[in-house]
Amino acid sequence: EAGVTQSPTHLIKTRGQQATLRCSPISGHTSVYWYQQALGLGLQFLLWYDEGEERNRGNFPPRFSGRQFPNYSSELNVNALELEDSALYLCASRPWGSTDTQYFGPGTRLTVL
Amino acid sequence: TQLLEQSPQFLSIQEGENLTVYCNSSSVFSSLQWYRQEPGEGPVLLVTVVTGGEVKKLKRLTFQFGDARKDSSLHITAAQPGDTGLYLCAGVPSGTYKYIFGTGTRLKVLA
Repeated sequence: EAGVTQSPTHLIKTRGQQATLRCSPISGHTSVYWYQQALGLGLQFLLWYDEGEERNRGNFPPRFSGRQFPNYSSELNVNALELEDSALYLCASRPWGSTDTQYFGPGTRLTVL
Repeated sequence: TQLLEQSPQFLSIQEGENLTVYCNSSSVFSSLQWYRQEPGEGPVLLVTVVTGGEVKKLKRLTFQFGDARKDSSLHITAAQPGDTGLYLCAGVPSGTYKYIFGTGTRLKVLA
């Protein structure tokens, strides 16, 4: 069974640009979570999508947004990039009906110059 | 604010030594997960503990869930360089739907 996949692996942008990150959950998993992990820091919760709806978001500005598609894959968009947005962005999925145990993808390393 | 505090924050030990990492909270959890994360990669699930007082063993790793389900520990016997990484506990505090992560323990095992 394929795990959570994310693309691209690395992304380099300049300040003010927009970044789009993609995530495909494990087959059968309906919930997708996005986290930001700055270098040397813990995981900061960004967004939670379930059944196509945004269920919760962390303490991030509105320029961080996303969506979930009918096939449960998800996209994270970051507008007006700032230097501080440089981080590893992790996507995780969990199966329907489960309230715990998330399975993570390998992450997308975003570098803002 | 529900928090999962981990200790120690950093740990550097020699190969062959034993160590214990702690994960503590004032909240009750229906279950707790432990993950290990290597640099530049996503966290990998190690174990889920569900029952208060439960002990699970995975080779040299022993996980325990506190009787009151507010804390957990990870004990590594005879640590190896391959155990190096960031260890994270995580879970959903009872009465919420918010999955939270611990503050993390960064372990380095020297050969």
